[in-house]
Amino acid sequence: AQSVAQPEDQVNVAEGNPLTVKCTYSVSGNPYLFWYVQYPNRGLQFLLKYITGDNLVKGSYGFEAEFNKSQTSFHLKKPSALVSDSALYFCAVRGLNYGGSQGNLIFGKGTKLSVKP
Amino acid sequence: EAQVTQNPRYLITVTGKKLTVTCSQNMNHEYMSWYRQDPGLGLRQIYYSMNVEVTDKGDVPEGYKVSRKEKRNFPLILESPSPNQTSLYFCASSNSGQTGAEQYFGPGTRLTVT
Repeated sequence: AQSVAQPEDQVNVAEGNPLTVKCTYSVSGNPYLFWYVQYPNRGLQFLLKYITGDNLVKGSYGFEAEFNKSQTSFHLKKPSALVSDSALYFCAVRGLNYGGSQGNLIFGKGTKLSVKP
Repeated sequence: EAQVTQNPRYLITVTGKKLTVTCSQNMNHEYMSWYRQDPGLGLRQIYYSMNVEVTDKGDVPEGYKVSRKEKRNFPLILESPSPNQTSLYFCASSNSGQTGAEQYFGPGTRLTVT
């Protein structure tokens, strides 16, 4: 069965410091991996995705994520955090062989990122 | 502007009173889905639709119904709401022709059942 784990409920970072939000996954076949961000009272917004190719993926707002197949991880990173990055972050996975060609996204439980000035 | 809209945004109702939450997208997406978000549980899929007249259960379908008569609309129906359906609901859509396509989410509907 597919699954996604975000081991940290909350991550606290000082503004200007690098941040990492962790994600590990379990899926049959090659994974499609996604990160979404949710700001207060808003829907989820797409940040970035890994489909194939370069293991380092760059996305919106200066975020990037590194796909590590051996560790089955897809950690979200940013070199220098901003207070405005404070939000809820969700990792999601879709397995190629699950639910046909489209498959369904399986979401992690979310990690709250708090960036302090 | 490409978007997914949901209505209403907020709803307070009583147990057993049928309600419908509408969802509409203007991107001509084939795939649409409903999720509920609960603290500590993340997003869980309720129902999804691969195209018009094609719907299927997600992980938590009990107590919900959906229909997909038109490509742009995917309403969520609670025929007899119960307090355990108090939650934040999101509709999403994507282009199912691309297996790596990201989903676009609506703004959410906060439902309270008393």
